[in-house]
Amino acid sequence: DAKTTQPPSMDCAEGRAANLPCNHSTISGNEYVYWYRQIHSQGPQYIIHGLKNNETNEMASLIITEDRKSSTLILPHATLRDTAVYYCIVRGHNDMRFGAGTRLTVKP
Amino acid sequence: KAGVTQTPRYLIKTRGQQVTLSCSPISGHRSVSWYQQTPGQGLQFLFEYFSETQRNKGNFPGRFSGRQFSNSRSEMNVSTLELGDSALYLCASSLSQGKLYTEAFFGQGTRLTVV
Repeated sequence: DAKTTQPPSMDCAEGRAANLPCNHSTISGNEYVYWYRQIHSQGPQYIIHGLKNNETNEMASLIITEDRKSSTLILPHATLRDTAVYYCIVRGHNDMRFGAGTRLTVKP
Repeated sequence: KAGVTQTPRYLIKTRGQQVTLSCSPISGHRSVSWYQQTPGQGLQFLFEYFSETQRNKGNFPGRFSGRQFSNSRSEMNVSTLELGDSALYLCASSLSQGKLYTEAFFGQGTRLTVV
């Protein structure tokens, strides 16, 4: 079973920041938080991951709370091509347990 | 660097038949995982192979099986197909050389339709 809770859907205006929350209150000390996204019927695409420090790469930023019970994925300047389902995953092994994810719709 | 390649992309089979799907991981990646995605159940983990050995297995019946070859290519097989096996089957590869937390890269999937 997935160990994360995400809102089922969110909207964001094009050019604005998209902030996608994720709750993972039962996360263990050695488990990482991973984010993937899936654009219609394609394979999921890796975005970013982190353990306890905030992380940033060319795609997004990941903010993890100090108690590690929740995190936020930030897409700084959302474009129409960022419309997708975003999955937050708590991962301790190579078997990733996906939840239902958040369907992000970026609107012009 | 070539990505994860899954073949075929689309497949139509009849109930009761069996099917074999293929996955070629990214060069150098030794871990291959398989997932089933359906509208009702979402993305579900099937199994993971590393160095030709199954390391993890999800909650699927024995009709679903897999194997990995010495070149890390993997196949999964579904026997006695049922209508409910219609799904997008995804393969993911990762380095996983003793490290648990390397990112996994997914292929485009094989869409199986059982009629």
